Amino acid sequence: DGGITQSPKYLFRKEGQNVTLSCEQNLNHDAMYWYRQDPGQGLRLIYYSQIVNDFQKGDIAEGYSVSREKKESFPLTVTSAQKNPTAFYLCASSKLAGVLNEQFFGPGTRLTVL
Amino acid sequence: QKEVEQNSGPLSVPEGAIASLNCTYSDRGSQSFFWYRQYSGKSPELIMFIYSNGDKEDGRFTAQLNKASQYVSLLIRDSQPSDSATYLCAVGYTGTASKLTFGTGTRLQVTL
Repeated sequence: DGGITQSPKYLFRKEGQNVTLSCEQNLNHDAMYWYRQDPGQGLRLIYYSQIVNDFQKGDIAEGYSVSREKKESFPLTVTSAQKNPTAFYLCASSKLAGVLNEQFFGPGTRLTVL
Repeated sequence: QKEVEQNSGPLSVPEGAIASLNCTYSDRGSQSFFWYRQYSGKSPELIMFIYSNGDKEDGRFTAQLNKASQYVSLLIRDSQPSDSATYLCAVGYTGTASKLTFGTGTRLQVTL
């Protein structure tokens, strides 16, 4: 069953802690993305990766880090430097890089800072 | 700054009617246009994409693109209560690699 999985579904973090959100896909897609969604706002791009071992900053990369060591995995770390991390985090993938390729989303991780 | 604008709604239509959702964008260099449906608390689901001027139909959904006027719309025929959701418009711009810019979404309510 092909798809994108994200874990955990819900995550609670204390201030000052780093947390890592998992994203895995078995679609054999080259490109992967991380977005953040806040109430009343559109999705905002945090990081994206077009190939293994390469990634680029999106519009709101400060306070986040990523790695792309395997084609199927693109974990996102929310660091203590991120001032307002409470949000709904969405991972997406597309078969190829480029804006002509449809992006498909995983189920999301809802992060709450206590 | 590239912008994608959508009316937040809610847009209320009776069951069986046509729902018309609109999206405008700021950059004439835009190449790709996507419509996603997002139910409350869930992730976005791709409904349609369109690259060329004109209409593209898929079942009850029709995407319409007018590059000269810089708008893209989504028509939903025979609206059902299960269509009640937020609809997100996303635009891909020339020269920005894999980046899409999303609108804030229009909330659609289909009433019985």
